[in-house]
Amino acid sequence: DVKVTQSSRYLVKRTGEKVFLECVQDMDHENMFWYRQDPGLGLRLIYFSYDVKMKEKGDIPEGYSVSREKKERFSLILESASTNQTSMYLCASSLVQGGTDTQYFGPGTRLTVL
Amino acid sequence: AQSVTQPDIHITVSEGASLELRCNYSYGATPYLFWYVQSPGQGLQLLLKYFSGDTLVQGIKGFEAEFKRSQSSFNLRKPSVHWSDAAEYFCAVGPANAGGTSYGKLTFGQGTILTVHP
Repeated sequence: DVKVTQSSRYLVKRTGEKVFLECVQDMDHENMFWYRQDPGLGLRLIYFSYDVKMKEKGDIPEGYSVSREKKERFSLILESASTNQTSMYLCASSLVQGGTDTQYFGPGTRLTVL
Repeated sequence: AQSVTQPDIHITVSEGASLELRCNYSYGATPYLFWYVQSPGQGLQLLLKYFSGDTLVQGIKGFEAEFKRSQSSFNLRKPSVHWSDAAEYFCAVGPANAGGTSYGKLTFGQGTILTVHP
């Protein structure tokens, strides 16, 4: 079974803090994704990566950056957290490089920015 | 640009009743289609997917979905709902022939929350 893990289930940070969300997958998948999920808006893609050190902006990249130094790990960084970044963050991975494939999701990190 | 609409934000059914969750998509070429389920506080789990072939797709937990190209729909069905099916359901669409700038990105609908009454 594919396993996608996220470093924290719940996180509380203060405005202006730098926040790191970590995601690890154990199935040698090529693609990794970061989404945020808000009620009534579904999932919105923040960034994705189709290869190590490669990244592409999604639909809402503003205020976020990412890092993929190793194939299995994809980090989401909030350089200076703001209250409007309070949300559920979901990481996903898929096998086919640059192609449409089933995405497997982690359990999510619920981030609260005070 | 691709888009997905789930017209029903919230559906309530009685246990044992049949269920149909609607999904309409907009995409200029052949799509790949997915249904995911999310239990409270959890990540998303794949229920079923359509890539090609038979337009009636069987998934896990007794769910099925039918791809209707003429109606741009991919509705999810279950003949008899169980209390454990209470969750939020997401429809998603992606390009069948990914490449270039698409990279196989999925677009998700807004979700439908299912409540099951005993």
